Amino acid sequence: EVQLVESGGGLVQPGGSLRLSCAASGFTFSNPWMSWVRQAPGKGLEWVANIKQDGSEKFYVDSVKGRFTISRDNAKNSLYLQMNGLRAEDTAVYYCARGGYYYVSWGQGTLVTVSS
Amino acid sequence: EIVLTQSPGTLSLSPGERATLSCRASQSVSSSYLAWYQQKPGQAPRLLVYGASSRATGIPDRFSGSGSGTDFTLTISRLEPEDFAVYYCQQYGSLPLTFGQGTKVEIK
Repeated sequence: EVQLVESGGGLVQPGGSLRLSCAASGFTFSNPWMSWVRQAPGKGLEWVANIKQDGSEKFYVDSVKGRFTISRDNAKNSLYLQMNGLRAEDTAVYYCARGGYYYVSWGQGTLVTVSS
Repeated sequence: EIVLTQSPGTLSLSPGERATLSCRASQSVSSSYLAWYQQKPGQAPRLLVYGASSRATGIPDRFSGSGSGTDFTLTISRLEPEDFAVYYCQQYGSLPLTFGQGTKVEIK
């Protein structure tokens, strides 16, 4: 059974940093592209970033470029999102998703709240 | 950026009825790279359809997707109680990947 388990969310002040992690199991993690997708409270879905199998290609939505970094460790079956310079508008549930373009599997999400 | 507009915002129907959800793109979606997801309260989204018309693994055949270019449709042939949820379309033909704002299918 495919499992994606996010962690690392929490309350952070504007300008602060957080690192999200996603532990994957039930599939060969090194095979697919992986992504982060977020959902602000009561709002729709927004693609954040995706990363190629070997980490050689990464793409971001404009609103996070230069502030967020996606990475992966295939030996540890883990996906990461380093978030710096956090803003109130980054407040959302962050989902780890299997796939680079459409998303076959999703984690349950981790809530990031940016507030003073 | 391709903007996806879903209509209607809310669809009020009874179990057993047919649901037709629309997703219109601001420009052509290349190679019909369009997906549909279902999301229930407090849950992660679930992939229903990719490639505009291919059902994902384990998705019942009452769900069907169609369309090309700028106009896409998700049809639920006969609504089951578990189908009442929010549905999102998503294009993956060009970056940035974008989602529609969602259509809520509620019990009438």
